[in-house]
Amino acid sequence: DTAVSQTPKYLVTQMGNDKSIKCEQNLGHDTMYWYKQDSKKFLKIMFSYNNKELIINETVPNRFSPKSPDKAHLNLHINSLELGDSAVYFCASSQDPSGETQYFGPGTRLLVL
Amino acid sequence: AQTVTQSQPEMSVQEAETVTLSCTYDTSESNYYLFWYKQPPSRQMILVIRQEAYKQQNATENRFSVNFQKAAKSFSLKISDSQLGDTAMYFCAFLLHNAGNMLTFGGGTRLMVKP
Repeated sequence: DTAVSQTPKYLVTQMGNDKSIKCEQNLGHDTMYWYKQDSKKFLKIMFSYNNKELIINETVPNRFSPKSPDKAHLNLHINSLELGDSAVYFCASSQDPSGETQYFGPGTRLLVL
Repeated sequence: AQTVTQSQPEMSVQEAETVTLSCTYDTSESNYYLFWYKQPPSRQMILVIRQEAYKQQNATENRFSVNFQKAAKSFSLKISDSQLGDTAMYFCAFLLHNAGNMLTFGGGTRLMVKP
């Protein structure tokens, strides 16, 4: 009965590769997010989707492309991975974009070698 | 743009004692939400407590309570009867109402509860 799930939990890959992280929520929420947590534990929003439509796109390289096939899923695809992409990526969801509490997934630790 | 500052990078407390974590924020808006999230070594981000800015009453969740001072833009977290399982990073976060739902996080406070 996991609320927000992410796969994989760990991802180790070489520079230049393309990888995807999947996120699913079973809370019936309309809005989903991707956050990045760097090595100093600083958390920053990357994207926000409401009902499959992009509503926030912070200053993120266009190598990062979110895809929302339906309301319950928001996947993150990363092209041409760089060393600086190494971080923990969190998916989150909320009922709507008006200010409801966000619930986070367990995170995906990405290590680019 | 909103900013959130946590001035205590690390804190420690003895088991069963009380500890207060500080958070200040900067905004010119009046309608917003504030949160404390806990991140234990498992890395999971867990909601601890939430406060709506329009509510004067401080939020409480069991052993966790906040001191919300809107004029001073301060939002501290008090943990009573600290337990070993409270050992974690604690993040203060700000959310502007009806503005795309972008959570702005502070830099975190690492709390160690000692037996």
